[in-house]
Amino acid sequence: AQKITQTQPGMFVQEKEAVTLDCTYDTSDQSYGLFWYKQPSSGEMIFLIYQGSYDEQNATEGRYSLNFQKARKSANLVISASQLGDSAMYFCAMRVDYGGSQGNLIFGKGTKLSVKP
Amino acid sequence: DAGVIQSPRHEVTEMGQEVTLRCKPISGHNSLFWYRQTMMRGLELLIYFNNNVPIDDSGMPEDRFSAKMPNASFSTLKIQPSEPRDSAVYFCASSFEAGSTDTQYFGPGTRLTVL
Repeated sequence: AQKITQTQPGMFVQEKEAVTLDCTYDTSDQSYGLFWYKQPSSGEMIFLIYQGSYDEQNATEGRYSLNFQKARKSANLVISASQLGDSAMYFCAMRVDYGGSQGNLIFGKGTKLSVKP
Repeated sequence: DAGVIQSPRHEVTEMGQEVTLRCKPISGHNSLFWYRQTMMRGLELLIYFNNNVPIDDSGMPEDRFSAKMPNASFSTLKIQPSEPRDSAVYFCASSFEAGSTDTQYFGPGTRLTVL
């Protein structure tokens, strides 16, 4: 069965420093996608970054990068130069392609990031 | 372009009442997902549609829950009768194509409180 594990319930980081949020996944499928979403206190789910299982390069989006280690089944999110507005819950999610049919997102429990001024 | 639109944003109702949540996906998207978020269970899929057809409703908790997608631009999630344990945030999300690479974009959610 597919599973996403986020082992850090909460993290603190100093403003302007980099932080890594951990995510490991479990699947026996070869084709899948990994996503990170941000949920601020206002409640909306904001898409941050995506990594495909066949992508050779690690994904980057502005200050966000995804450290994809396929053999370890990890997809850690790295936020560089943290800002106060980065304080939020962060969810790692996986989507598996079931032989061409649509697959839903499986979410981890989330990591609450707090950025200190 | 407008994102996923959900209404209402907040709903407070009494146990036993019918609740209808509404969603308008992003124009051009052909897949729509309903998720529920609670402290205990986190984010979990309830049902998803592809080209207006329900593909997987295995996450729908029980017969009190039903979902429809009469056209490509509208979906409803109905709870009848509602119970206090249904209190949660309900998200609608949409994506463009089938497959693991497609990003789902979420609406703002509906916070449901059942008294």
